[in-house]
Amino acid sequence: EVVLTQSPGTLSLSPGERATLSCRASQTVGSNYLAWYQQRPGQAPRLLIYGTSSRASGIPDRFSGSGSGTAFTLTISRLETEDFAVYFCQQYNMVPWTFGQGTKVDIK
Amino acid sequence: EVQLVESGGGLVQPGTSLRLSCAGSGFNVGRHYMNWVRQAPGKGLEWVSVIYTDGSPYYADSVKGRFTISRDNSKNTVFLHMNSLRGEDTAVYYCTRDLGWVGESFKYAMDVWGQGTAVTVS
Repeated sequence: EVVLTQSPGTLSLSPGERATLSCRASQTVGSNYLAWYQQRPGQAPRLLIYGTSSRASGIPDRFSGSGSGTAFTLTISRLETEDFAVYFCQQYNMVPWTFGQGTKVDIK
Repeated sequence: EVQLVESGGGLVQPGTSLRLSCAGSGFNVGRHYMNWVRQAPGKGLEWVSVIYTDGSPYYADSVKGRFTISRDNSKNTVFLHMNSLRGEDTAVYYCTRDLGWVGESFKYAMDVWGQGTAVTVS
């Protein structure tokens, strides 16, 4: 199984700052097979990024994804209040599809 | 509006069974990969099962042999039959839709999520 390791576990930042979240895979993941999700407290996750770098419908352009192979990044260019949440990466390279353990972005 | 609504969760004893339902609206569940993803209290996300458009099912090792995913196209509904439930199956269970075809490319990501249904095994 592909193990995804996200870092850091918690990122404490202020509104307006840049957030950089990392997702490392235990083996190569094709660029079409990496997605990112945001989960706010008490809500279901929502899709942010698919195919490593494509924004899902309705996602603002301050969210961007990049990476290849075993190293992927989600960047939030300028944090807004509603962006303080937990973020998960997910791979579709092989079954079982797996998620990272999550990075919590909280207010400093 | 594209939507998924789960139902069927509850409090059950270890060793018993439960069936979760996921009703789709605004789209055809038979034309998308459909998944179940669960989240234990205070924990991260765990993929549980998928049913492909051709009906092929796949499972996480943690539920293989105990859970069965199925689909009723006439009701536009996906099911998760859960047998021999254990305490570690306690979680909120989300039904999700895979993105599928975007133009001429097949894309892999869960673009629609239900609100979740809670299962407690105790």
